Amino acid sequence: DIQLTQSPSSLSASAGDRVTIACRASQPLVSYLHWYQHKPGEAPQLLIYSTSTLHIGVPSRFSGGGSGTEFTLTINNLQPEDLGNYYCQQTYRFPFTFGGGTKVEIK
Amino acid sequence: EEQLLESGGGLVQPGGSLRLSCAASGFIFGSYSMTWVRQAPGKGLDWVSFIYNGGATTHYTDSVKDRFTISRDDSKNTLFLQMNGLGAEDTAVYFCARNPVLDGSRPADLWGQGTLVTVSS
Repeated sequence: DIQLTQSPSSLSASAGDRVTIACRASQPLVSYLHWYQHKPGEAPQLLIYSTSTLHIGVPSRFSGGGSGTEFTLTINNLQPEDLGNYYCQQTYRFPFTFGGGTKVEIK
Repeated sequence: EEQLLESGGGLVQPGGSLRLSCAASGFIFGSYSMTWVRQAPGKGLDWVSFIYNGGATTHYTDSVKDRFTISRDDSKNTLFLQMNGLGAEDTAVYFCARNPVLDGSRPADLWGQGTLVTVSS
């Protein structure tokens, strides 16, 4: 199975900050790496798919990048509504695994 | 409005069975592959199972193989997860999600709110 390691596991930042979450894969994924936001009690939301494509309706302050085994999610101008948990997921090979998650808190 | 609505969760004893349903509306259900994902209390998202549109091919995470069965009824716009031999480790909120083909990959672009399964005596 492909393992995804996210870092950091949690972060605290102020509104307006730029934050970056990393996702490292145990083997190359081509571009089949996606990012989700999940707030407690709500349905997870797709943010970025195929490494860098912004999903419909997602604010442009979210961006994704990377290649091979190293990927990143960047949130520019962090907003209070961005608090929650963020997950990377690969759909390159079954089973479609998730990273362990990053909890984002707003100072 | 496109929507997924899970049901069928509840309290079940260890070794018991449960059948989850996911009702789809607002889109052509039969055209999409579908996924089940779970989240144990205090833990992250855990991918469980996948079924292609058409239903002929399925995939499972190792921990549920031979115990869980994913299926679909396109005439009723409904996805199912039959869970047998349940253990405490299966306690989780179970989400269904839709997997379109986007840029050649299959991200989950629409999710339900989830249904809670609790395995306890």
